Amino acid sequence: DAGVTQSPTHLIKTRGQQVTLRCSPISGHKSVSWYQQVLGQGPQFIFQYYEKEERGRGNFPDRFSARQFPNYSSELNVNALLLGDSALYLCASSAQPGLANEQYFGPGTRLTVT
Amino acid sequence: KQEVTQIPAALSVPEGENLVLNCSFTDSAIYNLQWFRQDPGKGLTSLLLIQSSQREQTSGRLNASLDKSSGRSTLYIAASQPGDSATYLCAVSNQAGTALIFGKGTTLSVSS
Repeated sequence: DAGVTQSPTHLIKTRGQQVTLRCSPISGHKSVSWYQQVLGQGPQFIFQYYEKEERGRGNFPDRFSARQFPNYSSELNVNALLLGDSALYLCASSAQPGLANEQYFGPGTRLTVT
Repeated sequence: KQEVTQIPAALSVPEGENLVLNCSFTDSAIYNLQWFRQDPGKGLTSLLLIQSSQREQTSGRLNASLDKSSGRSTLYIAASQPGDSATYLCAVSNQAGTALIFGKGTTLSVSS
């Protein structure tokens, strides 16, 4: 079975631009979460979605938005990119939204903002 | 606000040594605790998940313990190998149960 997949693998953008990152969860998983990992730090929670509804939001500005599709895949959008948005963006899926369920992470998308 | 601390930040050991990585958290009201491994520039691989009602979990050479009352978890790695070199991250749930709160990780280097 395929694990969590993310695209693209790497991305270079200029300040002020917009970016869309994509995630496909493990087959059968209905919950998707997004995390940002800056170099040298642990991942920080951005969003959790379940059944197309937002279930949780971290302390990130409104420039960050996300959505989940009927097939449970998800997109993370970031507008008006800043240099500080450069990070590894990780997607995680689980069978259900509650954290009694194990989270499985994808390989991440490396975003560089110049 | 839940905070997770991992000590030490970095650790270098010779091959074959047994070692312990430490994780502490400030709020004992957690759903579970998960240990992850991260290779440089890569995603996270789940190693062990300990439910809040459990005291420990084992997988191969790895053993993780959980003491909710003291807000501590340890990851024990037996007979370390160069392939164990990676960053190990500890994560617990937030109060809403919607997200994982991570420590900064312990970077382990095992020399042959």
